[in-house]
Amino acid sequence: DAKTTQPTSMDCAEGRAANLPCNHSTISGNEYVYWYRQIHSQGPQYIIHGLKNNETNEMASLIITEDRKSSTLILPHATLRDTAVYYCIVRGDGSSNTGKLIFGQGTTLQVKP
Amino acid sequence: DTAVSQTPKYLVTQMGNDKSIKCEQNLGHDTMYWYKQDSKKFLKIMFSYNNKELIINETVPNRFSPKSPDKAHLNLHINSLELGDSAVYFCASSQAGLDNEQYFGPGTRLTVT
Repeated sequence: DAKTTQPTSMDCAEGRAANLPCNHSTISGNEYVYWYRQIHSQGPQYIIHGLKNNETNEMASLIITEDRKSSTLILPHATLRDTAVYYCIVRGDGSSNTGKLIFGQGTTLQVKP
Repeated sequence: DTAVSQTPKYLVTQMGNDKSIKCEQNLGHDTMYWYKQDSKKFLKIMFSYNNKELIINETVPNRFSPKSPDKAHLNLHINSLELGDSAVYFCASSQAGLDNEQYFGPGTRLTVT
């Protein structure tokens, strides 16, 4: 499974867009980019995922570069409740197609008033 | 209308005891998982079941034994508990396939004294 690199922490002003980058330069063609977040003392929460195209849902947008080596999660109007650890995960077939999620350290996003 | 539920939420026990954590999902998913989050906040997959069949078994001591009586339940039994087993255990479920997100339960905080 491909590995990801994320900044350890980021700050964002409330009401502004939060842009969280992720590098996954060794991603394979059949591997998806997933984003989850974990708010303090809660279970991880699914945000969004994509393969090649940009994706948008009610929570966020996912921008994947054309070469698929990096992506950006965009929270369009961050609120204090978006303060959490955000995990970028490449979920792939590899040799086993098990679908397991491999969590890294993630990015701790602090939304400030 | 809880999607993925776990019981108990907190579990405090002594070394050497045997304990179980229960997980139930009402999403109609066919795949369930157990993850462990240690004190350093790293989330790691332990097991995965698809249609009651074990498909992922990471390097976990054989004191840990998952049991899936049906597709909606995946229980985790731990024998001879050790101090190092103290962690938060998360259950998750999904439909099979790489293009399907996993939904996590609220977690069970296990403390071994």
